Amino acid sequence: ILNVEQSPQSLHVQEGDSTNFTCSFPSSNFYALHWYRWETAKSPEALFVMTLNGDEKKKGRISATLNTKEGYSYLYIKGSQPEDSATYLCALLGSNYQLIWGAGTKLIIKP
Amino acid sequence: EAEVAQSPRYKITEKSQAVAFWCDPISGHATLYWYRQILGQGPELLVQFQDESVVDDSQLPKDRFSAERLKGVDSTLKIQPAELGDSAMYLCASSSRLDNEQFFGPGTRLTVL
Repeated sequence: ILNVEQSPQSLHVQEGDSTNFTCSFPSSNFYALHWYRWETAKSPEALFVMTLNGDEKKKGRISATLNTKEGYSYLYIKGSQPEDSATYLCALLGSNYQLIWGAGTKLIIKP
Repeated sequence: EAEVAQSPRYKITEKSQAVAFWCDPISGHATLYWYRQILGQGPELLVQFQDESVVDDSQLPKDRFSAERLKGVDSTLKIQPAELGDSAMYLCASSSRLDNEQFFGPGTRLTVL
């Protein structure tokens, strides 16, 4: 059974600083790893879909890496801005094509 | 830009009452999901549709919850009777393919008093 752990649970970062957080999983038996951003009062929004070991995706100041052998994915934010404040959710697409979600990392950017 | 629509955005009800939530997925998306999200936890899949058929409803409390997608387009999730523990955010999502990213609606925040 796939289990998705995210750490830390919450994170306070000074505006302008860079940060990263982790999604870890015990097994590589999945099709893809998804990262979503969920801002307060808005819909969860897909950031990245990662499929291969060593996969690396980038969108502006946000990037993500996937290491299926070691069982983790990192999400990096460079030069944090107030608009980056959100909960970042990681989910694995399992063999039944259903997403198994982590509990998320709540990121708060302090101006 | 196409979006997933949900209504209502907020619902307050008393326990033992019936509630219904509506979702209209992005046009052409065959797969539709209903999730429940409790604060501090990740979304929990309640039911998954492929067109009008239920693919998985193993986590749906069928004694009080029901879901339908009669014409394979929009969908309704119903709770009857509502219980205090049902207070949560109910999210609807759709995707064009099973292995594609999911697009979410704004959710319905349910409070049961």
